[in-house]
Amino acid sequence: EDQVTQSPEALRLQEGESSSLNCSYTVSGLRGLFWYRQDPGKGPEFLFTLYSAGEEKEKERLKATLTKKESFLHITAPKPEDSATYLCAVQGPGSGSRLTFGEGTQLTVNP
Amino acid sequence: NAGVTQTPKFRVLKTGQSMTLLCAQDMNHEYMYWYRQDPGMGLRLIHYSVGEGTTAKGEVPDGYNVSRLKKQNFLLGLESAAPSQTSVYFCASRDRINEKLFFGSGTQLSVL
Repeated sequence: EDQVTQSPEALRLQEGESSSLNCSYTVSGLRGLFWYRQDPGKGPEFLFTLYSAGEEKEKERLKATLTKKESFLHITAPKPEDSATYLCAVQGPGSGSRLTFGEGTQLTVNP
Repeated sequence: NAGVTQTPKFRVLKTGQSMTLLCAQDMNHEYMYWYRQDPGMGLRLIHYSVGEGTTAKGEVPDGYNVSRLKKQNFLLGLESAAPSQTSVYFCASRDRINEKLFFGSGTQLSVL
């Protein structure tokens, strides 16, 4: 059974204070690891897909990295508008391209 | 381009009542999914469809039924609502090639 664990559950940063979110996963045959951002009252919004260990992707202040057991979402010099819940999900083998999601990390960036 | 539209946005049911949640996408996507999101549980897959006329069970299918009669629509039904089905429900879709999921804005359901 695929499992995804995210830490910390909640993170409070000051504007400009860089940090990282962690996503540990267990899956037999990773087909892809996904990061989504979710704002209150809205559906998740796609950020990144990573496919193999060593891969990295960047978007503005966000950088996602992948190893064989975990992924990190690095946030450099965050701004208040980066406040959101960040969700990690994995896709294993099987039909329907089903994703298994973690519980998310709630990030708050104070001005 | 509306993307993924869910109706209704809010609903309150009494135990035992039935209802249908509608998901519509205008992106010609093959795959559609229904998730529920509960505090401390994350997003859990209820049912999904890989094409018109096909459906399959996800992680938590009990108490729900689905239908995909048209490619653009995916309906989630609750035949006899229970308080344990109080949750926020999200529909999502994607095409065969691009693995990026597009989510609707959610339906908040309370069962009293």
